[in-house]
Parts: sequence; structure tokens; C-alpha cells
Amino acid sequence: DVKVTQSSRYLVKRTGEKVFLECVQDMDHENMFWYRQDPGLGLRLIYFSYDVKMKEKGDIPEGYSVSREKKERFSLILESASTNQTSMYLCASSPRGGARGNEQFFGPGTRLTVL
Amino acid sequence: KNEVEQSPQNLTAQEGEFITINCSYSVGISALHWLQQHPGGGIVSLFMLSSGKKKHGRLIATINIQEKHSSLHITASHPRDSAVYICAVGSGPPQLGNQFYFGTGTSLTVIP
Repeated sequence: DVKVTQSSRYLVKRTGEKVFLECVQDMDHENMFWYRQDPGLGLRLIYFSYDVKMKEKGDIPEGYSVSREKKERFSLILESASTNQTSMYLCASSPRGGARGNEQFFGPGTRLTVL
Repeated sequence: KNEVEQSPQNLTAQEGEFITINCSYSVGISALHWLQQHPGGGIVSLFMLSSGKKKHGRLIATINIQEKHSSLHITASHPRDSAVYICAVGSGPPQLGNQFYFGTGTSLTVIP
């Protein structure tokens, strides 16, 4: 069974704090993704990584950074949290390749509130 | 402009009803995915399809590549089907595992 875990289900932080969200997958997947989900906007891609130490900006990277030092772990960092970063954060992973694309496997999500 | 449009946004049905959720997309795709999200956040993949039709239990997904349209059908709906259903289109270079474009989701409530 593919498993993607996230470090916290719920997190409350204060404006200006540095926030780390961690994601770990146990299926040896090359690709990992960070999304945020907001009502009416759906899931939006923040960053993705297709290999260790590789990262690519998604649609909304501003205010975020990422780190992928090991294949199984992909971290999302909010350098200085702001209230507009209050959201549900979802991590996903997928294997590389396949001409017709690949299923993404999602973690349970972290609901972050920035006060 | 959204690359993926879903309708309806919200849907309430009586138990036993036949349900259809629609998805239209504008990008070139490698595959289309239907996802289910229950309250609490976890997302699971229901179908991945690139042509034709797939069936799993009471769920049926179809895709028309020429019309860039997909439908998710639920037969004999049940309260446990209540969830948000999300259409996602995989696009981009396969070697990167495909970037996804997501619809905003359809919130389904099935009343006993």
C-alpha cells in the first residue's frame, strides 16, 4: 500500500514565524508535489520535485521554498508565515515516466492557520 | 481562465439516485483523473483514464478525447458517497510524472 504521510494534521502559527511542513513517501517515487487547497480555487501547485535536490516552481511559489535532500522526503518551508498562507496543504507523490501519465498519491493534508 | 472546469459545483441527491458530474478541459492531456476527497482532507484516486470508459463498483467514468470532456457517474447513490469529487488532468512531459491541472471540485451530498 502506497503511503504518503505529512508531519501534522493541524498547525497553528503566528505571523512571521518560520514554518516547516514535511512529507514522506514510502514507495520510492521520483516525483513529489506540494499543493495548497482553498475554497473555490481547488488545488494549486506550489512546488514540485522530480529528483533529489531538484525543484521546480509551480503556479504559486511566492512566499514558499522547498527542500528535497532525500528521495523519500519533501519539505515545504514558509520563511515568514503570513495570514494569507492559512490553507490546507497537500503533499503528493508519483512515479516517473509512463507515456499516459501516472497516478498521484496524496497525503492526508495539513490544515495550517496563521494568526 | 481555468484549464479544467467542473459542473455542478454542488449537488444534493436522494439515496438511490443516479448522479453525473461533468468535467471539461482545454489542455492537451496524457490522462484524466477522478479523485475523491472526504471531509478531513484525504484524497484518493478513483480512476485514471485516457480513452473510453472504466467501471469500478457503482462508479463509472467516461472520457471523450475529441470533445475534451469526461463524466463521472454514480449509480444507486448512497450517503457514504458524500464527498468532494475532483477532476484532474495530467499534462506535460511524461518523464516528469505529469503536472496536474485541477477542477475546483463538486461537493456531493447524498441524503438518506
